Amino acid sequence: AQTVTQSQPEMSVQEAETVTLSCTYDTSESDYYLFWYKQPPSRQMILVIRQEAYKQQNATENRFSVNFQKAAKSFSLKISDSQLGDAAMYFCAYCRRNNLFFGTGTRLTVIP
Amino acid sequence: DAGITQSPRHKVTETGTPVTLRCHQTENHRYMYWYRQDPGHGLRLIHYSYGVKDTDKGEVSDGYSVSRSKTEDFLLTLESATSSQTSVYFCAISKGLAGDYDEQYFGPGTRLTVT
Repeated sequence: AQTVTQSQPEMSVQEAETVTLSCTYDTSESDYYLFWYKQPPSRQMILVIRQEAYKQQNATENRFSVNFQKAAKSFSLKISDSQLGDAAMYFCAYCRRNNLFFGTGTRLTVIP
Repeated sequence: DAGITQSPRHKVTETGTPVTLRCHQTENHRYMYWYRQDPGHGLRLIHYSYGVKDTDKGEVSDGYSVSRSKTEDFLLTLESATSSQTSVYFCAISKGLAGDYDEQYFGPGTRLTVT
């Protein structure tokens, strides 16, 4: 079974600063996708960014970028210029063949 | 916005009663999913569907059944609810034709409490 580990239950960052959330996963597959989802207090799950395992280039979406290390099975999320609206739970997820496996989440607090 | 609604949004029920949660989508996507979210576990897949009357089990399917008689609706049924099924339930869809590796878009969730 695939497992996804987020070792930081809670993180905090000053507004306008940069923070990195960690994620590692375990798989024997070579083809898979990875995602970061954000869950604000509204409980809605919002897709932040995706990474295809076959791509060496790290994905970027505006202030969000990933550091994908396939050999190390590591997939961290970097949030630049943090904003108050970034405060949420962040979930890393591994996807293969219709199964999306989630980590247990990291709660991010943004300090004004 | 993937046009996903869930009903009810909140429900309290007693142990042993049947419960059905409904997921409705407006865009006719092929793949639909049911997850549960519990503290310390993240989200876990219960069942998914890859077409009308085509469903398969996920990681935590015991005690749950699903049905999909129309493209737009995916029902999750707890035949006899237990306290361990108290959770937040999310429906999701994927927009791609293949579905295998597409990102999933989530509904607003249903909070179910079994007393």
